[in-house]
Amino acid sequence: DGGITQSPKYLFRKEGQNVTLSCEQNLNHDAMYWYRQDPGQGLRLIYYSQIVNDFQKGDIAEGYSVSREKKESFPLTVTSAQKNPTAFYLCASSILHSSYEQYFGPGTRLTVT
Amino acid sequence: QKEVEQDPGPLSVPEGAIVSLNCTYSNSAFQYFMWYRQYSRKGPELLMYTYSSGNKEDGRFTAQVDKSSKYISLFIRDSQPSDSATYLCAMSAANSGYALNFGKGTSLLVTP
Repeated sequence: DGGITQSPKYLFRKEGQNVTLSCEQNLNHDAMYWYRQDPGQGLRLIYYSQIVNDFQKGDIAEGYSVSREKKESFPLTVTSAQKNPTAFYLCASSILHSSYEQYFGPGTRLTVT
Repeated sequence: QKEVEQDPGPLSVPEGAIVSLNCTYSNSAFQYFMWYRQYSRKGPELLMYTYSSGNKEDGRFTAQVDKSSKYISLFIRDSQPSDSATYLCAMSAANSGYALNFGKGTSLLVTP
């Protein structure tokens, strides 16, 4: 079964703690993306990567970090510097230069109290 | 002004109705136009994408792009309760490399 997996589905953390969200894909896609979705809002791009060991900031990268050590994996760390970390986080992937055809994972709902 | 505007609804229709969902945009460089369906607490699912102007049909779904008016539409024929979801439009410019600009989504409820 080809697809994108994100784990865990729900995550709870205390304020001040860093937390890492997992994203894995077996679609053989070069490009991967992280988005944040808040209630009643569209998706906002956090980071994206088009190739292993390279990634670029999106519109709202402050307080987040990523790594891309393997083609299949693109973990996102939400750091304590992120002021409003509670949100629904979505990972997506696409063929290189085909960002218009992005496929999304099921998402991770992060709650920070 | 946000680049992509989408009425959040909610939109409620009876089963079997034709549904029209719309987005407007301000950036004339947008050339790719996408529609995603998102069920509650799930990731968005790509329904279809269109390049430049024109129509595209896939089963009960038809996407229309009018670049002169900067207006895109998604029509759903013979709507079903299983179509109840939030529909997100997204757009990108050919030279943007990565950036998708999303609308906020329209919540649709199809009642039996």
